Amino acid sequence: NAGVTQTPKFRVLKTGQSMTLLCAQDMNHEYMYWYRQDPGMGLRLIHYSVGEGTTAKGEVPDGYNVSRLKKQNFLLGLESAAPSQTSVYFCASSRYHRNEQFFGPGTRLTVL
Amino acid sequence: KNEVEQSPQNLTAQEGEFITINCSYSVGISALHWLQQHPGGGIVSLFMLSSGKKKHGRLIATINIQEKHSSLHITASHPRDSAVYICAGCLDSNYQLIWGAGTKLIIKP
Repeated sequence: NAGVTQTPKFRVLKTGQSMTLLCAQDMNHEYMYWYRQDPGMGLRLIHYSVGEGTTAKGEVPDGYNVSRLKKQNFLLGLESAAPSQTSVYFCASSRYHRNEQFFGPGTRLTVL
Repeated sequence: KNEVEQSPQNLTAQEGEFITINCSYSVGISALHWLQQHPGGGIVSLFMLSSGKKKHGRLIATINIQEKHSSLHITASHPRDSAVYICAGCLDSNYQLIWGAGTKLIIKP
């Protein structure tokens, strides 16, 4: 099993460009999450999903959109990237909300 | 003030020392997670606990829900334990996790 995978691993964008980060899990987990991690700060939840076809806002949702069309995939979109979105993005999944979360390797995004 | 506070922020110790990392929280939680983030960036879940104590190898986690406090202990520490250790509380209200800022641990040989 691959667990949780993320693509791409690195990306550099110019301000105003758009991109989509893909998260995939092969553990049949119901819950999936997108976090961002900035230096000196804890992980912050961007959006999450409690099942296929559902999404919900987390702590810092502005500037991001998500979709969960298939149970195994959770996509994070940036429609118009800003330098403030420079960060490391982690995807995670869990069986249910109180279960252990399994993390992907992260995507390092730089917005110039 | 952060809802989840970890202490210390940084900890350097010699190989073999007993390590304690503390986590205090100010909101109602139903469970607390301890995770490890390696220098390369990967994040691994160590424990999830809602009461008492759990042990896995040289790692021990305890929680006191009434006192809103948890500790992570490492016995016989080793340089490979060097990492950032993060605690996160599962909120009662919406089941989301609130994260501490992490404790950076360095174990010197």
